[in-house]
Amino acid sequence: NAGVTQTPKFQVLKTGQSMTLQCAQDMNHEYMSWYRQDPGMGLRLIHYSVGAGITDQGEVPNGYNVSRSTTEDFPLRLLSAAPSQTSVYFCASSYSGYQPQHFGDGTRLSIL
Amino acid sequence: GIQVEQSPPDLILQEGANSTLRCNFSDSVNNLQWFHQNPWGQLINLFYIPSGTKQNGRLSATTVATERYSLLYISSSQTTDSGVYFCAIDFDGGTSYGKLTFGQGTILTVHP
Repeated sequence: NAGVTQTPKFQVLKTGQSMTLQCAQDMNHEYMSWYRQDPGMGLRLIHYSVGAGITDQGEVPNGYNVSRSTTEDFPLRLLSAAPSQTSVYFCASSYSGYQPQHFGDGTRLSIL
Repeated sequence: GIQVEQSPPDLILQEGANSTLRCNFSDSVNNLQWFHQNPWGQLINLFYIPSGTKQNGRLSATTVATERYSLLYISSSQTTDSGVYFCAIDFDGGTSYGKLTFGQGTILTVHP
């Protein structure tokens, strides 16, 4: 039981490049979310999903795209990377909206 | 707007001391969680506690929803308790989707 797995752990991109951050969970959780954490700050919600085929925007969705074709996977796509998207990205999952959220170890992303 | 305020922002303790961390929030909640971010950046869920009191070893938490605050108690602190403690809330707009709003965190340093 691996929990929430995020790949890659580190990534450096050039401005304008695109990439996909992967998130997978093996706990059969319906709810999954993406957050970003900037230095000295708490986490902010980017996008979330309440089940396969259902996604919605969070607080800071601009520049990011998501889809959820399976219960297990919830990838986050950066369409055209900008320096302002340099951050640590966390994926989380929970059984429902009234259960504890479990976080992956994060992806540290730098955009030059 | 919706606010989550944590205090104190920083806390320095000697090993063995007790501490209380506070989270004030500006609206009624249907989901409140406490997290510990360790020095390696991992986020660990400590409590799911929208109301009432829970205990887990040396840690306990109390949420008084009617007065809009939650407290996290750490007893007999250890150096491994060091890190950042976050309060995160999904405000009561009906169904909870686990759309957490994080506070700024309390940085705890425990010296041996």
